[in-house]
Amino acid sequence: GAGVSQSPSNKVTEKGKDVELRCDPISGHTALYWYRQSLGQGLEFLIYFQGNSAPDKSGLPSDRFSAERTGGSVSTLTIQRTQQEDSAVYLCASSPRDEAFFGQGTRLTVV
Amino acid sequence: SQKIEQNSEALNIQEGKTATLTCNYTNYSPAYLQWYRQDPGRGPVFLLLIRENEKEKRKERLKVTFDTTLKQSLFHITASQPADSATYLCALPLSNSGYALNFGKGTSLLVTP
Repeated sequence: GAGVSQSPSNKVTEKGKDVELRCDPISGHTALYWYRQSLGQGLEFLIYFQGNSAPDKSGLPSDRFSAERTGGSVSTLTIQRTQQEDSAVYLCASSPRDEAFFGQGTRLTVV
Repeated sequence: SQKIEQNSEALNIQEGKTATLTCNYTNYSPAYLQWYRQDPGRGPVFLLLIRENEKEKRKERLKVTFDTTLKQSLFHITASQPADSATYLCALPLSNSGYALNFGKGTSLLVTP
């Protein structure tokens, strides 16, 4: 595709359920990032993948959060046992080097 | 700890004027700094990158300066238009060994006709 694609665009889940968010980066981009943006807040860095290197997981807020990137392309962010404070927009971005290209985000609502 | 500070108050200016937004940072020695635009309900869009050895960079009506001594970047939009109304984010690399970015909270700009 022409840009970064994220799915679903909206997700409502019950507290305690697990959710998976998907990101299809721009083909050929070696770097992939996940960020979280709460209402009216800035972007909070979660995790960063670069090529075949070990991911930088320093931004993951708890061990309920995990992410993987298969074949250097598609990435999945998994949140286990969701809590209400996990409600936010989850943004994925890919990058060929310096500048980041963002998807439209997945709006997650935990009820 | 590393901090990026942008004016939290919205900037309201009249169409045709120059908008100037500020980004200050601490505990960084960044190789470059980036500016992004974010519209409501959408992901940020890359605007400009300026490297540590560049004092100024221009792109159409946009101008960015980068003062590594003051640890500050200024972002200017000249001849502003209502379509420039958005939130503008400053971003720095988390470290100089990779490309993960840390973002400021952004400054909201409103350009009125």
